[in-house]
Amino acid sequence: NAGVTQTPKFRILKIGQSMTLQCAQDMNHNYMYWYRQDPGMGLKLIYYSVGAGITDKGEVPNGYNVSRSTTEDFPLRLELAAPSQTSVYFCASSPGGTAYGYTFGSGTRLTVV
Amino acid sequence: AQSVSQHNHHVILSEAASLELGCNYSYGGTVNLFWYVQYPGQHLQLLLKYFSGDPLVKGIKGFEAEFIKSKFSFNLRKPSVQWSDTAEYFCAVISFSGGYNKLIFGAGTRLAVHP
Repeated sequence: NAGVTQTPKFRILKIGQSMTLQCAQDMNHNYMYWYRQDPGMGLKLIYYSVGAGITDKGEVPNGYNVSRSTTEDFPLRLELAAPSQTSVYFCASSPGGTAYGYTFGSGTRLTVV
Repeated sequence: AQSVSQHNHHVILSEAASLELGCNYSYGGTVNLFWYVQYPGQHLQLLLKYFSGDPLVKGIKGFEAEFIKSKFSFNLRKPSVQWSDTAEYFCAVISFSGGYNKLIFGAGTRLAVHP
């Protein structure tokens, strides 16, 4: 099915470990986004990309890195995991412009212990 | 920067009750507004959106929202809720900064509908 695919669905990390959350979309969308969702806080934008090779920081970028080498993929990297990064992470994509909503992936639930 | 406030964090209703969830945004110019729903264990899905034109917007599953510019509001309504409407609801607004648009979310309202 067309859409946004996130892997893994669940992950437990130890403090200081690193990992990459994968996100891929097959809709040829230019815009891609990473959000984290914490209880009672809604979704906060971590990083976004408006096309291959172009990324920028969102509201809460500290502790994360991204790259966008292709239109399809937008991985999110955690270099030194901290308990504050325990969250549910959602990737989303959009064709761009304001006339479109976003298509969200199913999320990655990350626990840092 | 553009921001969104949702006043009710938790709402509990009985089936067939009417629903209204509040949403206020901060920017006074042209706005693009959305309501998303997240069913338990699932990802966000678009309920409805407003860009221009008729301020009363119809969405999926019997939901509607009214854009009131003078009140900076975009409240979500449903005349008669069902148990299957139990979910978390997010209001969101497009924020323009750095030349690109980004979706900014409210904190969410968790709705529980009892049979």
